[in-house]
Amino acid sequence: GNSVTQMEGPVTLSEEAFLTINCTYTATGYPSLFWYVQYPGEGLQLLLKATKADDKGSNKGFEATYRKETTSFHLEKGSVQVSDSAVYFCALRPLSGYSTLTFGKGTMLLVSP
Amino acid sequence: GAVVSQHPSWVICKSGTSVKIECRSLDFQATTMFWYRQFPKQSLMLMATSNEGSKATYEQGVEKDKFLINHASLTLSTLTVTSAHPEDSSFYICSASGPGSDSGPDTQYFGPGTRLTVL
Repeated sequence: GNSVTQMEGPVTLSEEAFLTINCTYTATGYPSLFWYVQYPGEGLQLLLKATKADDKGSNKGFEATYRKETTSFHLEKGSVQVSDSAVYFCALRPLSGYSTLTFGKGTMLLVSP
Repeated sequence: GAVVSQHPSWVICKSGTSVKIECRSLDFQATTMFWYRQFPKQSLMLMATSNEGSKATYEQGVEKDKFLINHASLTLSTLTVTSAHPEDSSFYICSASGPGSDSGPDTQYFGPGTRLTVL
């Protein structure tokens, strides 16, 4: 079956530090890959996505590259801000038909001033 | 845009009562809507998927008679928690996908969630 594995948190960084949150997946074929962000007490917001191998999704300074050879979709940001503190979810959607998402367990990011 | 709203944002009810949560897509047609449940500090658990005008498809282990889902229009789905008990207390999140949203019909857009507390 499909699965997504994320690094466990919390990830604690100082402001302006470099961020990497690892995500690897197991799926048949070529799924679409997503990063969602959840701020405290809120629902999930789509952060970025990639639909095929070597695609790079980017938004708000965050980037992730779809690497089929390593089945990975690591999230990176060059300089984090306190406002980036949230829980980040990696997810995949299978290629065939259905929109059902499979989520990782989420990684909490805490950024201190 | 691709905005999904939920109402109410939080609700407290007594054990044994029923609670209805609404999920609306505000600026696109949601041909498919999803309902998730999220426990504290955990990931989202898909409860059911509904296509407009059809019966919902429930995930294994989810009681369809307890969690009633209706998706009667392209912009509205409702989740009714019947005879709620304290163990039903959770954060319920809906999402929607469909044509006309920013990133295409296969991307899910999430509502802000509804926190249910059953006393």
